[in-house]
Amino acid sequence: DAGITQSPRYKITETGRQVTLMCHQTWSHSYMFWYRQDLGHGLRLIYYSAAADITDKGEVPDGYVVSRSKTENFPLTLESATRSQTSVYFCASSPTRGEQYFGPGTRLTVT
Amino acid sequence: ILNVEQSPQSLHVQEGDSTNFTCSFPSSNFYALHWYRWETAKSPEALFVMTLNGDEKKKGRISATLNTKEGYSYLYIKGSQPEDSATYLCASRPSNFGNEKLTFGTGTRLTIIP
Repeated sequence: DAGITQSPRYKITETGRQVTLMCHQTWSHSYMFWYRQDLGHGLRLIYYSAAADITDKGEVPDGYVVSRSKTENFPLTLESATRSQTSVYFCASSPTRGEQYFGPGTRLTVT
Repeated sequence: ILNVEQSPQSLHVQEGDSTNFTCSFPSSNFYALHWYRWETAKSPEALFVMTLNGDEKKKGRISATLNTKEGYSYLYIKGSQPEDSATYLCASRPSNFGNEKLTFGTGTRLTIIP
């Protein structure tokens, strides 16, 4: 199916564990983004990517790692999960100078 | 204004009434203003992308205007319906070439009362 998908949709993990959230888009959009949604903060940018092998930090990158070896995939890794990383994570993609298309979100709980 | 600000934070409107809310953004280094509609338990969906001062966009009962000189945009909903209940986000994009990052406001949460 065309579009942007995220997996898993729900994840519970323990403090200190490594977690990877997956994002896949079928439009061949150049740009991909990771946001977290927290009460009172709206959507905050974690990392973004302009193309395969090009990534850059957003507003709140600490504790996260990204990679983009293929245009269609943009995984987000929490190297050592902390309770403060409990959040809803949204992946988005966009063509150059276009609107962003959001995935369905991943609800992550760190216990 | 350094950040993107939206007001009011939340709004309750009677079904059938019209309403509007505001997005304020930095007017310097501006390229585009995006509006998104975000229903509960779903993901944000794009409504409008506006770039020109004085721009006005319309989609059904929803319209938006843009003032880039003073750094604000209004979103209007005419004849509100229950399905309009959602959070409306605006986001500003700077003019740096190759900079596709959006800065989002915290949204206006609209509830339509039947």
